[in-house]
Amino acid sequence: DTGVSQDPRHKITKRGQNVTFRCDPISEHNRLYWYRQTLGQGPEFLTYFQNEAQLEKSRLLSDRFSAERPKGSFSTLEIQRTEQGDSAMYLCASSLVLQANTGELFFGEGSRLTVL
Amino acid sequence: GQSLEQPSEVTAVEGAIVQINCTYQTSGFYGLSWYQQHDGGAPTFLSYNALDGLEETGRFSSFLSRSDSYGYLLLQELQMKDSASYFCAVPEGTYSGGYQKVTFGIGTKLQVIP
Repeated sequence: DTGVSQDPRHKITKRGQNVTFRCDPISEHNRLYWYRQTLGQGPEFLTYFQNEAQLEKSRLLSDRFSAERPKGSFSTLEIQRTEQGDSAMYLCASSLVLQANTGELFFGEGSRLTVL
Repeated sequence: GQSLEQPSEVTAVEGAIVQINCTYQTSGFYGLSWYQQHDGGAPTFLSYNALDGLEETGRFSSFLSRSDSYGYLLLQELQMKDSASYFCAVPEGTYSGGYQKVTFGIGTKLQVIP
């Protein structure tokens, strides 16, 4: 399977703990995106990378969130001091630049976070 | 910024045709995309309209009217497996730089009934 893969698929944590999600994009894709989705809503943009450079971060994203893509391949999203409001599905997507120009992103199945 | 509006829920009968509308308000519009997402699944790209008119891909068609800031997704010969959420979405940014991100509507949950 050469699609976007995310790990873990489910994470339950207690408030105040740190969590980290990993995303492995489609190998030739230079763009990588993180989105968050809550029940009944569309995916909400968090941040994106082109190769290893983080080019944009949502203004809605608190300082507790950080993302990296150290070698331009896989990416990690870390949430520090989790809060109950962080409970959501965290979606990773990848694309080539030309595909992104048509709004075509390839999504993984997400990492579901539950904060107790 | 971008604002996208679509109905929250639609119910249709198997074998019928359904239209899911999307209106948008954007600062800089390049085109309208559609995605499908089954419960528990990943959003999957369906189509993109950059120009006015109808684009057909099998049972699914997508329409865009730039002058009306409006588009729709048309699903024909509905099947039970079409029950899913459908999102309209717009790429944002500059074409020369490659659009920076895609902004999604809240989604329309389609229920297909026998």
